[in-house]
Amino acid sequence: DQQVKQNSPSLSVQEGRISILNCDYTNSMFDYFLWYKKYPAEGPTFLISISSIKDKNEDGRFTVFLNKSAKHLSLHIVPSQPGDSAVYFCAASEVDQFYFGTGTSLTVIP
Amino acid sequence: DVKVTQSSRYLVKRTGEKVFLECVQDMDHENMFWYRQDPGLGLRLIYFSYDVKMKEKGDIPEGYSVSREKKERFSLILESASTNQTSMYLCASSLRRGGDTEAFFGQGTRLTVV
Repeated sequence: DQQVKQNSPSLSVQEGRISILNCDYTNSMFDYFLWYKKYPAEGPTFLISISSIKDKNEDGRFTVFLNKSAKHLSLHIVPSQPGDSAVYFCAASEVDQFYFGTGTSLTVIP
Repeated sequence: DVKVTQSSRYLVKRTGEKVFLECVQDMDHENMFWYRQDPGLGLRLIYFSYDVKMKEKGDIPEGYSVSREKKERFSLILESASTNQTSMYLCASSLRRGGDTEAFFGQGTRLTVV
């Protein structure tokens, strides 16, 4: 049973606009949430994270928002750049394990 | 920088072969993981280990085993490779048990079983 869900398999955005990637989870015991970026034939690379005690974390063009009551998090990329085109995975952790979503493929159109 | 290194980028093996995928991390991390990535299914956990000689089953352990004889090395073994094990295999490590720590991934091994 998928505990972390990304319901949008793909997203296309114009360069310079905002990209919003969404993620939902079911387990209220998750205490740390992460976003990873993955290019084809490479391993995922860590992008940004947020602790369950916060509702927002920002790092340059990337901002993650957490809504615990809705069990929802989102990643905002502003402004989007062609190099951001990749698959984005959200993940949640509980003690030892990381639980990953199925990924959203972002295409930024020049 | 944390480095997680997988022994091969690409592998082609025959059905029934025993396959070893090796992973080494250089940052003294306690936890190590093996995932496989398949289109539409995301990253699925096969096994993880939080200490030397310790292992825990993940979501899809069938057909796989693991070995962790040293802290820095975590091996995934396909006992008898089958075509449905064709996939991208990803090794990861994280610093410690508990939250507020990220997983660092290797570059992945694309395994094809023919």
